[in-house]
Amino acid sequence: DVKVTQSSRYLVKRTGEKVFLECVQDMDHENMFWYRQDPGLGLRLIYFSYDVKMKEKGDIPEGYSVSREKKERFSLILESASTNQTSMYLCASSKLALQTGELFFGEGSRLTVL
Amino acid sequence: AQSVAQPEDQVNVAEGNPLTVKCTYSVSGNPYLFWYVQYPNRGLQFLLKYITGDNLVKGSYGFEAEFNKSQTSFHLKKPSALVSDSALYFCAVRDRENGGFKTIFGAGTRLFVKA
Repeated sequence: DVKVTQSSRYLVKRTGEKVFLECVQDMDHENMFWYRQDPGLGLRLIYFSYDVKMKEKGDIPEGYSVSREKKERFSLILESASTNQTSMYLCASSKLALQTGELFFGEGSRLTVL
Repeated sequence: AQSVAQPEDQVNVAEGNPLTVKCTYSVSGNPYLFWYVQYPNRGLQFLLKYITGDNLVKGSYGFEAEFNKSQTSFHLKKPSALVSDSALYFCAVRDRENGGFKTIFGAGTRLFVKA
């Protein structure tokens, strides 16, 4: 069974802390994505990557960075967490060659910044 | 820029009745359209997609969607709703960007099915 795994389901951090959200996929997918989900706003794209060591800004990259050192792993980094980054974070992957392919999502990481 | 609109925040349906969750889109080329479902405290799951061909697309859990090019719509439907269909539904469109592809989501529609 194909899988996207997000290492932390629930996190509570303090303002100013550095936060790492890890995502691993076992489907050999080239594309990986980080979204945040907020009520009434749907999913908004933070960053995406279509190859190792490649990254592209999404619609709301401010306050975030990413790392893609290996094909299967895509990390989201909050350098200095703020309360407005309290949200549900969703990682997803898809096959690059398939423009028409669906996204596979992890279970999500719910981050609370106090 | 491509965009997706889900005009209803919430849809209420009685169990056994047909359901429709609406979606309209705006694209510059051929539309690649998707529906996803999210159950509480879970990630999104793929339901179905329209790429080309038959305007009526069938997907998981008895859902189907009708692509209407003239109305730029891709409404999700099910002939007979179940209480277990209660969830958050997202419509999405695929866009090409910087050598890759990204998916743009609507705001979501919450479906409540009452027994």
